[in-house]
Amino acid sequence: GIQVEQSPPDLILQEGANSTLRCNFSDSVNNLQWFHQNPWGQLINLFYIPSGTKQNGRLSATTVATERYSLLYISSSQTTDSGVYFCAVAYNQGGKLIFGQGTELSVKP
Amino acid sequence: NAGVTQTPKFQVLKTGQSMTLQCAQDMNHNSMYWYRQDPGMGLRLIYYSASEGTTDKGEVPNGYNVSRLNKREFSLRLESAAPSQTSVYFCASEKVGEAFFGQGTRLTVV
Repeated sequence: GIQVEQSPPDLILQEGANSTLRCNFSDSVNNLQWFHQNPWGQLINLFYIPSGTKQNGRLSATTVATERYSLLYISSSQTTDSGVYFCAVAYNQGGKLIFGQGTELSVKP
Repeated sequence: NAGVTQTPKFQVLKTGQSMTLQCAQDMNHNSMYWYRQDPGMGLRLIYYSASEGTTDKGEVPNGYNVSRLNKREFSLRLESAAPSQTSVYFCASEKVGEAFFGQGTRLTVV
């Protein structure tokens, strides 16, 4: 099956700093999503991005499908960005969606 | 529009007891999933259902059964609970590559 690796496993930032989170995957996929799990455990979909670049406010993501990686950029981080960021992939939409182990982000005031 | 609803939110079971976790979505999605989340392990797929009437094993299916009752509902059953099944369980549904999650069920098996 598909293997998903995320780095770094942990990240501590001062408020206002920028960060880049990486997701590597082992096979060609047609479904790649980024999620944020807040400190209360709620999982929120950030991006559906099997290829290309998308932006939503301070967050943006880029997937280079041919090289099997995706990057999540967080700019001007805020304390509310704290939590765990997960990358998940599947061969197709509606197929088995496999998660990486996540990057735990802590933003300090 | 409630999205994905899981019940119960918390449950304590004794070893050997059985229970069913319920999940319902009101977004008319075809695909539904059950995951478990353990510390340091991310989310691991237990079972998924690509459409009503179909189910398939995920990464960690042993000790679980599922039922896709209709398009809205996807239940997860533990026939004989074990302490190793202590975890937080999440249900999700997906459309066009965007997955939506329920609030989770925190299950403790003693």
